[in-house]
Amino acid sequence: RKEVEQDPGPFNVPEGATVAFNCTYSNSASQSFFWYRQDCRKEPKLLMSVYSSGNEDGRFTAQLNRASQYISLLIRDSKLSDSATYLCVVNTGRRALTFGSGTRLQVQP
Amino acid sequence: GAGVSQSPSNKVTEKGKDVELRCDPISGHTALYWYRQSLGQGLEFLIYFQGNSAPDKSGLPSDRFSAERTGGSVSTLTIQRTQQEDSAVYLCASSLGLVEQYFGPGTRLTVT
Repeated sequence: RKEVEQDPGPFNVPEGATVAFNCTYSNSASQSFFWYRQDCRKEPKLLMSVYSSGNEDGRFTAQLNRASQYISLLIRDSKLSDSATYLCVVNTGRRALTFGSGTRLQVQP
Repeated sequence: GAGVSQSPSNKVTEKGKDVELRCDPISGHTALYWYRQSLGQGLEFLIYFQGNSAPDKSGLPSDRFSAERTGGSVSTLTIQRTQQEDSAVYLCASSLGLVEQYFGPGTRLTVT
């Protein structure tokens, strides 16, 4: 089983839609969680950290469920510019972070 | 301020040749990471440096791969006797610890 698993998608949604991604992790001792965004042929960039109490940044909401060992990302009012691959990132207790393979989102006009 | 920089941005080499990829982390960042990403794939962890500690080399795919970090700053990833399967984008990232990482633009390596 992979340490961090994501549905690869693609998720094809119309502009204005709400879309949610989940990510599961296997190490219950994981401490830190992040969502990164990667545009085609570009480097990953931090989108937001995920806090235990959940957190919101504009149209983006991240939540952590420790009991079920998953994190989620909700995007409201999708924009064309949201089209990208979203990477789930977890500190699994090794010295480096572990990246999921990513979920591809395509927002259509 | 300046972000993570990498050079070269693109490298084409013949099979069997050695290549060196360079990474300049964000000033003051103690942690430095190397990853590689093949087309359409996720990030594959290669190696991690933290301060003066021994590097975590657990992700290096073979003994043809090595990396060093001089003076706690600049890092060089060396691939000896390159193979076609080494073709990928090599990404470097830095951070202040086990927190959010900041990535460089990557080096696109093509082995012909």
